[in-house]
Amino acid sequence: KAGVTQTPRYLIKTRGQQVTLSCSPISGHRSVSWYQQTPGQGLQFLFEYFSETQRNKGNFPGRFSGRQFSNSRSEMNVSTLELGDSALYLCASSLGRAENTIYFGEGSWLTVV
Amino acid sequence: GEDVEQSLFLSVREGDSSVINCTYTDSSSTYLYWYKQEPGAGLQLLTYIFSNMDMKQDQRLTVLLNKKDKHLSLRIADTQTGDSAIYFCAESISGAGSYQLTFGKGTKLSVIP
Repeated sequence: KAGVTQTPRYLIKTRGQQVTLSCSPISGHRSVSWYQQTPGQGLQFLFEYFSETQRNKGNFPGRFSGRQFSNSRSEMNVSTLELGDSALYLCASSLGRAENTIYFGEGSWLTVV
Repeated sequence: GEDVEQSLFLSVREGDSSVINCTYTDSSSTYLYWYKQEPGAGLQLLTYIFSNMDMKQDQRLTVLLNKKDKHLSLRIADTQTGDSAIYFCAESISGAGSYQLTFGKGTKLSVIP
């Protein structure tokens, strides 16, 4: 069974641009969460989607948004990029309940210059 | 509030046992997780334990949970050079029909040949 797939793996953007990252969860999983990992702040929760609805959101500015499609694939978007948005963005996949195990993808490395 | 703490570094000799410790604060945690991250990679789920369990063993990995002290540990038996990585402890916090993981800062395990 395929794991969590994230694309692109690496990208470089310029300040002020926007970026869209994609995540395909494990087949049958309806919950997708996004996390940001930086050396300074560690791993921080961005948001969680289940059946196309955002159920939970972390403490990030409105420039960070996401959505989930009917096939459970998810995208996250960051607009008006800042240097501080340079990070590894990780997608997590789960069946959707708190007691279900959570699996991560390999991440998308974003560098903002 | 929610906070997960880990020591930042651990160095062991190949063949010895490694013990990585973690403390958490949320008393309603459902699952407690251990993830491994190798350089340039995403998070690999190693093991997890329900908050109503005391111990879980999975091949070379043993997880111990002390709910009273909110202390979690991961023991790796017969540590190998391939175990060198950063290990993250995380607690799953549920609420309002959703959940999210709160991570520690990670423990960098160095295995000396």
